Amino acid sequence: NAGVTQTPKFQVLKTGQSMTLQCAQDMNHEYMSWYRQDPGMGLRLIHYSVGAGITDQGEVPNGYNVSRSTTEDFPLRLLSAAPSQTSVYFCASSQDSGSPLHFGNGTRLTVT
Amino acid sequence: TQLLEQSPQFLSIQEGENLTVYCNSSSVFSSLQWYRQEPGEGPVLLVTVVTGGEVKKLKRLTFQFGDARKDSSLHITAAQPGDTGLYLCAGWPGNYKLTFGKGTLLTVNP
Repeated sequence: NAGVTQTPKFQVLKTGQSMTLQCAQDMNHEYMSWYRQDPGMGLRLIHYSVGAGITDQGEVPNGYNVSRSTTEDFPLRLLSAAPSQTSVYFCASSQDSGSPLHFGNGTRLTVT
Repeated sequence: TQLLEQSPQFLSIQEGENLTVYCNSSSVFSSLQWYRQEPGEGPVLLVTVVTGGEVKKLKRLTFQFGDARKDSSLHITAAQPGDTGLYLCAGWPGNYKLTFGKGTLLTVNP
C-alpha cells in the first residue's frame, strides 16, 4: 500500500525554469492538496481539490498551477521558478475535507 | 492569516520530564487534529478531537479539546528521545482548507 507518492524527492532549478511536481495516491481519496513548508512559517496551503475536475486556491497560490484530471493524480506546476519558491513541498490526500490528511514524504526544491 | 497559534515554538527537555504544547485560536473549529513530523518525512496524524471538552489518550500522550472548541493541548508524560519531532496542530475552519499552526519543535535529550 503506497499511500501518497511524490516525485522527485529533490530538485534544483534555475530562475525562470518550469517544472512539475508529481503526486499520486492509491487510496481513492477525493480530497487532495499541496502545501509548502518553510522555516518559521509552518505548512501553508497552495492549492486543493475536492474531486476530479475541481481545483481551488489556497493561502499562497501565486506562481503555481494545478489540475486534477483523475482521482489519483494531482500535479503541481511551476511555470517560471523564482528563488522565493525554494521550499519543501508536501502533497496530501484525505477521504474528504474534514478527514485527516495522509502526506507524502515531500519534494525539496531549490531555485537558484 | 494564521488562525492557529502554537506555543512554545521550541522546547528542549531531558528524558523523563513532562511537557505541554498549546494550540490556540480565536475561531471555533469543528475538529482539531494533531500531527507529528520527523525530519525528511511528511506529517503523520496522531489524533483528532471533535467534541468540546474531549480528552484522548495515546499511551503517554494526552490530548484535550477546549470546551469552546477554540483551543487544544498536548501533554506528554515522561518524555523519551523517540518523542523528538515537530508537533503540529491543524483545524478545518468550516471551509475546504485545513489550516496548520506553525508547530512546536520538541527535542528530548537522553
